[in-house]
Amino acid sequence: GAGVSQSPSNKVTEKGKDVELRCDPISGHTALYWYRQSLGQGLEFLIYFQGNSAPDKSGLPSDRFSAERTGGSVSTLTIQRTQQEDSAVYLCASSGGYHEQFFGPGTRLTVL
Amino acid sequence: GQSLEQPSEVTAVEGAIVQINCTYQTSGFYGLSWYQQHDGGAPTFLSYNGLDGLEETGRFSSFLSRSDSYGYLLLQELQMKDSASYFCAVRDGQGGKLIFGQGTELSVKP
Repeated sequence: GAGVSQSPSNKVTEKGKDVELRCDPISGHTALYWYRQSLGQGLEFLIYFQGNSAPDKSGLPSDRFSAERTGGSVSTLTIQRTQQEDSAVYLCASSGGYHEQFFGPGTRLTVL
Repeated sequence: GQSLEQPSEVTAVEGAIVQINCTYQTSGFYGLSWYQQHDGGAPTFLSYNGLDGLEETGRFSSFLSRSDSYGYLLLQELQMKDSASYFCAVRDGQGGKLIFGQGTELSVKP
């Protein structure tokens, strides 16, 4: 497919467990973003990767959150010791230009 | 702090025109974007304003006034499929990071 893909689409986990969320951006897009969206709310910026530059981690809510991008393509967002307030839809977006970001379908995370 | 204000809900009838306003207060400003999100779907890009004035794309137009820290999205000839949430977002740095408003839920009635 030509769009941004994310996996898994749904993830249910127990409080205290670690989770990994994956994002495959559009081929050739150098910029990759992670956002979080709670029910009925706007999108909250988490982290941004641009090429080989150091990522902008200014939106990560705590040190339990981390992300990496390997080979300038696939990205993984890791949440350690999950808490119930981490429950949300995690959205990934990529961009090859300046203004438009292309979003994936998201991963719905539920922490019990 | 950084904030974007937009109405939480708007209702209109099919065929009408609706305007969704957005005011912003951010530490940096590199343009105002609008995204549409249908229930359970991914946000999709609608428009971008980097300079003052009106941008038109089909039935949708977007306006920006940087001096007023204000913009709006104008939807004309409303259709039922336009029922969705609409988000304004500010690019607050050269890196493209977006700060989003809380969204406006538009309901189009027959």
